[in-house]
Parts: sequence; structure tokens; C-alpha cells
Amino acid sequence: EAGVTQSPTHLIKTRGQQATLRCSPISGHTSVYWYQQALGLGLQFLLWYDEGEERNRGNFPPRFSGRQFPNYSSELNVNALELEDSALYLCASSVGQGYTEAFFGQGTRLTVV
Amino acid sequence: KQEVTQIPAALSVPEGENLVLNCSFTDSAIYNLQWFRQDPGKGLTSLLLIQSSQREQTSGRLNASLDKSSGRSTLYIAASQPGDSATYLCAPVGQSSYKLIFGSGTRLLVRP
Repeated sequence: EAGVTQSPTHLIKTRGQQATLRCSPISGHTSVYWYQQALGLGLQFLLWYDEGEERNRGNFPPRFSGRQFPNYSSELNVNALELEDSALYLCASSVGQGYTEAFFGQGTRLTVV
Repeated sequence: KQEVTQIPAALSVPEGENLVLNCSFTDSAIYNLQWFRQDPGKGLTSLLLIQSSQREQTSGRLNASLDKSSGRSTLYIAASQPGDSATYLCAPVGQSSYKLIFGSGTRLLVRP
């Protein structure tokens, strides 16, 4: 069974551009979580989607947004990129709402130059 | 607001030692708590999930305990090996937020 897959693995963008990151959850999982891990910092919660709806949002500006598609895959969009957006972006999926085991993908390394 | 603390921040031990990694959290209203390992630049690998009603969970050389009332969890690693070298993260899931809140991790180095 395939795990959580994220694409692309690496992404290099220029300041001010937009970045789109994608996540495919494990088959049967309806919840998708996005986390940011900047160099030397801990994992910060970004967004949680379940059954196509945004259920919770972390303390990030509105230029961080996303959506979940009918097949439960998800997209994270970062507009007006800033240098400090450079980080490893991790996606996780779980069955239902948070009281089941969460599984993470390998991440997308976003570099803003 | 849930805050998670992991002690020690870093640990270097010779191969074969039994280890104890500590995790404390401020809000005991949790659904469960997960332990993960992260290799440098990689994603997270789930090690153990303890439901709030459980006291302990075991997988191979790993054993995790949970004392929800005191806001503590402990990960025991038996007979450590160089392949265990990684950062270990604990993350409780809050009953009100449904999201994993991570500690800053314990960076473990097991020397051959």
C-alpha cells in the first residue's frame, strides 16, 4: 500500500512568486494536515483538511492557503513568497479526525531565493 | 494552548545502552500521543501511537508510556543501535484542536 506522497520533492522559487505543493494521502484517509519545518525550528501546524473542508488553521498569514479535492488529495499554495518561507513542508494523513494514527510524507523542500 | 517540551534536547550514547526520552505537555485533554523519528532532511516516521485510555504501547525495542493526568510520556529504547540515530519527536493530539502539536525533539546519536 502506498504511503503519503508529496510532490515535488524540491522546489526553487523567486521572492514574490507563488508555489504550489501537492499531497496524496494514504488510500482511505480523509484528513490531510500540512506542517512547516523551517531550518532549526520545530514543526509548525499550517492547515487541516477533512472531507474537503478546512477544519483548522495555524498562525500563518492568509497568503498560505490550500484545498482538498474530492479524492482527498490536497494542495498547499503559498503566494507572494518571502525568503523566510524557505522550509521543509510536510503533509500527513489520517483516517478521520485526529484520534487515529497520522502518517507523514517525505516532504517538499521549498527554497526561496 | 498546548505546549510540548522534550528532554533532553540531545543525547549521545555508545551502542547497546538503554535510553529514556521524555516528553511533557501542558494540556492533558488529548485524544492520543504519537512518537515519531525524523532522519535529517526527511519526513517523519510513526513509531508508536498511545490512545489516551492506554498507559503503554510496545513495538519491538521501543516502549512508550503515557501518564495523561501528569502530562508526561516516556519513550524507552532498549539495546540502542547506530541505526537508531535520529531526532525523536512526540506529539499529542488535542481534543479541541484535533491537530498534532510537536515538541522540539530529542536528537539522538548512538556511537558504534
